[in-house]
Amino acid sequence: SQQGEEDPQALSIQEGENATMNCSYKTSINNLQWYRQNSGRGLVHLILIRSNEREKHSGRLRVTLDTSKKSSSLLITASRAADTASYFCRANRDDKIIFGKGTRLHILP
Amino acid sequence: DAGVTQSPTHLIKTRGQQVTLRCSPKSGHDTVSWYQQALGQGPQFIFQYYEEEERQRGNFPDRFSGHQFPNYSSELNVNALLLGDSALYLCASSPGYMNTEAFFGQGTRLTVV
Repeated sequence: SQQGEEDPQALSIQEGENATMNCSYKTSINNLQWYRQNSGRGLVHLILIRSNEREKHSGRLRVTLDTSKKSSSLLITASRAADTASYFCRANRDDKIIFGKGTRLHILP
Repeated sequence: DAGVTQSPTHLIKTRGQQVTLRCSPKSGHDTVSWYQQALGQGPQFIFQYYEEEERQRGNFPDRFSGHQFPNYSSELNVNALLLGDSALYLCASSPGYMNTEAFFGQGTRLTVV
């Protein structure tokens, strides 16, 4: 398989709580991106972090990257019902594009 | 701006047949990538086209082929369909060949019976 790994595979939290999901990959990368997918349709780009960056913020999203451990984490703060979706990381280098298997996030009312 | 558009949205084919899926990139984008997503799995990279040439390819057999036209639109062709080819096929476009932010279409759901 060419896929990276994400954990957890599924996550259920109460609305208002923070959600953290992790991604691991196996090769060196140029950048890593996180995407959201609702109901098995198209993916929406959330955030990109380059290999020389360690942390990046965008609204309620915080992404970290540890190239020595080949891992990244996505934190969604103050979760909302609309955040219910599957989240995927995508590791990119010049000759490879590898998506993780995804984390299914469910926000409980 | 219509974004990335894919056609058709759904398709049913018989094992052994051939299928062609189409993708129009977002305005201003010249790079198109194709992905296969099985139910409950992450997208698997098939290939990427830039300047009408295949630039990168994932681990897919030669039954999967593609084309990019001068207007940057693209086609994915799959020959000798297998039951295991049933999946959501996603197209994504991006500006330039540097694996930056990609914009995805809504996908084509292919069912092989």
